[in-house]
Amino acid sequence: ETGVTQSPTHLIKTRGQQVTLRCSSQSGHNTVSWYQQALGQGPQFIFQYYREEENGRGNFPPRFSGLQFPNYSSELNVNALELDDSALYLCASSLGQLANYGYTFGSGTRLTVV
Amino acid sequence: AQSVTQPDIHITVSEGASLELRCNYSYGATPYLFWYVQSPGQGLQLLLKYFSGDTLVQGIKGFEAEFKRSQSSFNLRKPSVHWSDAAEYFCAVGAMYSGGGADGLTFGKGTHLIIQP
Repeated sequence: ETGVTQSPTHLIKTRGQQVTLRCSSQSGHNTVSWYQQALGQGPQFIFQYYREEENGRGNFPPRFSGLQFPNYSSELNVNALELDDSALYLCASSLGQLANYGYTFGSGTRLTVV
Repeated sequence: AQSVTQPDIHITVSEGASLELRCNYSYGATPYLFWYVQSPGQGLQLLLKYFSGDTLVQGIKGFEAEFKRSQSSFNLRKPSVHWSDAAEYFCAVGAMYSGGGADGLTFGKGTHLIIQP
């Protein structure tokens, strides 16, 4: 079975720009969640999508938005980039919206905002 | 709200020695607990998880963890470490989905494991 794949692996953007990150979930998984990992920190929950609808959100502003598609792949969009948005963005997929299904993480997208 | 504390930022262990990484959590009900490992520049790999039942859980790569409700702890152990175990280790807690919205996983800040030859 294929795992979670994310693209691109690295990205450099200028403050104020917009960025879209992509994630293909593991085969059979219908739930995708996104995390932001700043340097030297643990990942922080951004939001989760279950069957194309956002069903949970962490403490992130509305300029962080997402989509989940019928094939359960997902996008994370960040508008009006700030320097503090520089981080590793991790996508995780799961068999369902319950935490006990466990989560499979991708290798992440390293975003640098200059 | 749930929280996770990993008291040790760095731990140095000699190759072949035993290892214990500490994790304390705060959560009102029975938590779902996870340990993940992250190599430099990589994503997270699941080592083991606890949901219910036997409080001693076995994971991959020879790791195990013990859930102690009375101490709100979920410490990770390995009897003999290998140089390839050098990495960042994260403990995480997940809440039972209540229908009011998923909370995702709450991670600790991680413990950086250094292996001495």
